[in-house]
Amino acid sequence: DAGITQSPRHKVTETGTPVTLRCHQTENHRYMYWYRQDPGHGLRLIHYSYGVKDTDKGEVSDGYSVSRSKTEDFLLTLESATSSQTSVYFCAIGSRDSDYGYTFGSGTRLTVV
Amino acid sequence: AQTVTQSQPEMSVQEAETVTLSCTYDTSESDYYLFWYKQPPSRQMILVIRQEAYKQQNATENRFSVNFQKAAKSFSLKISDSQLGDAAMYFCAYRSAWGEYGNKLVFGAGTILRVKS
Repeated sequence: DAGITQSPRHKVTETGTPVTLRCHQTENHRYMYWYRQDPGHGLRLIHYSYGVKDTDKGEVSDGYSVSRSKTEDFLLTLESATSSQTSVYFCAIGSRDSDYGYTFGSGTRLTVV
Repeated sequence: AQTVTQSQPEMSVQEAETVTLSCTYDTSESDYYLFWYKQPPSRQMILVIRQEAYKQQNATENRFSVNFQKAAKSFSLKISDSQLGDAAMYFCAYRSAWGEYGNKLVFGAGTILRVKS
């Protein structure tokens, strides 16, 4: 979607290395979300943000941290990547008044070897 | 916490036929939204249809319609006149209507839809 971009689109990294995924939006939405998608689990929420410097954990937050220093950017960091974090990661944006769900980025396929 | 269940990991349909994908959810809330998302092989998440819980009328978008049964907590998606381009993973999702810190989407595990020519 034009209003939200994720980078990188693909990444292969080694176990134990730190990894940062970036989500950038041009919609000025207050809310941003990081999900991971795994077979049999659908999309599960990792962390979310409800404003600059305001973040909270989702259901699968262990091993992940986030930061939001500007409205437009939401970073997801794997402090020390593990093979269980091999997944497709999606960023999404939304506004509180929107009842149309979210707008999703194109996803990042992360492989930890 | 809310949960969403899609009991059909895979479904198949013949081109031009009708198929129904099932979704049930669990919540104690009375006001919420329900969504169906389509994810083709490109990985893009595409909103197909949405339903507001306070509306009794079932939502319809062209060939896509839902059967919303609030008391049964059921939200199925019917695709009529199936086309090859409908082949994708379909996710059912729930979102509370209220929440100070962002209304998080809760997803089901997904149903892979295959369309046969």
